[in-house]
Amino acid sequence: AQSVAQPEDQVNVAEGNPLTVKCTYSVSGNPYLFWYVQYPNRGLQFLLKYITGDNLVKGSYGFEAEFNKSQTSFHLKKPSALVSDSALYFCAVRVLFFGNEKLTFGTGTRLTIIP
Amino acid sequence: DGGITQSPKYLFRKEGQNVTLSCEQNLNHDAMYWYRQDPGQGLRLIYYSQIVNDFQKGDIAEGYSVSREKKESFPLTVTSAQKNPTAFYLCASSDRGGGGQPQHFGDGTRLSIL
Repeated sequence: AQSVAQPEDQVNVAEGNPLTVKCTYSVSGNPYLFWYVQYPNRGLQFLLKYITGDNLVKGSYGFEAEFNKSQTSFHLKKPSALVSDSALYFCAVRVLFFGNEKLTFGTGTRLTIIP
Repeated sequence: DGGITQSPKYLFRKEGQNVTLSCEQNLNHDAMYWYRQDPGQGLRLIYYSQIVNDFQKGDIAEGYSVSREKKESFPLTVTSAQKNPTAFYLCASSDRGGGGQPQHFGDGTRLSIL
């Protein structure tokens, strides 16, 4: 089965420090990978995606993600954390199912930026 | 502004009652999705529709029903058969055509049992 895993339920980072939110994937074939962010009582917002090409993908709000095929990882990163980055982050992978396309999400990582 | 509108924001269900959650989009997207979000479990797919008048069951379809009579609308009914309906429900839409189009989400409906 095609899936993603987020090994950390909670990540705490001091404001101004670099942050990393981890995601690993299990996919047959080439993966299409996504990161989303969710603020309290809101829907998910798309941050970035990897389909092909450069392993370093840049997205919204200064976030980037590094695709590593040998480690089957797609970690989300930001060089300098802001308090406003505190939110719930989801990694997702595209799954093709009898010609239909859907996303499978990880269980989420709560990121807290400490002032 | 284009987007997805979910209503109501909060909904309460009585025992044995069916309730319907509304989802409307003006993004001209062909595909629409319903997810259920529970703490610590991420998002689980309930139903999805790639085109008008067609829809497929997701991973947790039991106790739910949908319709897709118009491109803009994809309502979800939580039936009395769903014994644990308390959750945050999210609707999403996306373009079709492959290439991993990102899904756009509404702001959700929080359903609780009275």
